[in-house]
Amino acid sequence: EVQLVESGGTLVQPGGSLRLSCAASGFTFSSYSINWVRQAPGKGLEWISYISSGTNTIYYADSVKGRFTISRDDAKNSLYLQMNSLRAEDTAVYYCARGYTRSWGAFDIWGQGTMVTVSS
Amino acid sequence: SYVLTQPPSVSVAPGQTASISCEGNNIGTKGVHWYQQKPGQAPVLVVYDDSDRPSGIPERFSGSNSGNTATLTISRVEAGDEADYYCQVWDSSSDHRVFGGGTKLTVL
Repeated sequence: EVQLVESGGTLVQPGGSLRLSCAASGFTFSSYSINWVRQAPGKGLEWISYISSGTNTIYYADSVKGRFTISRDDAKNSLYLQMNSLRAEDTAVYYCARGYTRSWGAFDIWGQGTMVTVSS
Repeated sequence: SYVLTQPPSVSVAPGQTASISCEGNNIGTKGVHWYQQKPGQAPVLVVYDDSDRPSGIPERFSGSNSGNTATLTISRVEAGDEADYYCQVWDSSSDHRVFGGGTKLTVL
């Protein structure tokens, strides 16, 4: 079964750091681009980062640029999001989502999400 | 940055047709993707590249895109279609992916 499973979400204090992981299975992880998308409680979806397959091209939304770092370990079939200088507005469910190879920019497989709460 | 605008809510009776709009500057020049999200669940891709459906998505879901408006159309609406729907594009000028604010579809 093609699957993405996020982990690492927890309660963290403002200004703190956290590392999220996304474990892939059921497909050739190294061949796909992957994204992080978040959703604040009761709010809409917000794309925050992209990492390509192969060349490791990386993009960030302005809201997280300079604070968050996306990376991948193809040998471990895993994606990561290092989150620093966390703010209350970073509180959200964080999803990893696979880039759809039949399209440019769509996401065809999503994980179940992991909750990050930034609060003192 | 590129902005996508969706109506906050759309209501439709069972068996009727629901249309959800997504407005953006010259959106007709971009590929538009649509996601369905039910409460407590991850989003599901229902239409990509304006009007194509991933495998497993019913033919009742269709899309169009022209000018400044893209539209998701759901025919013969069922109670199980009640969900939030999001449009999304790739903004080539910034290489950012952009979501609309989402539309809550209510089946009366």
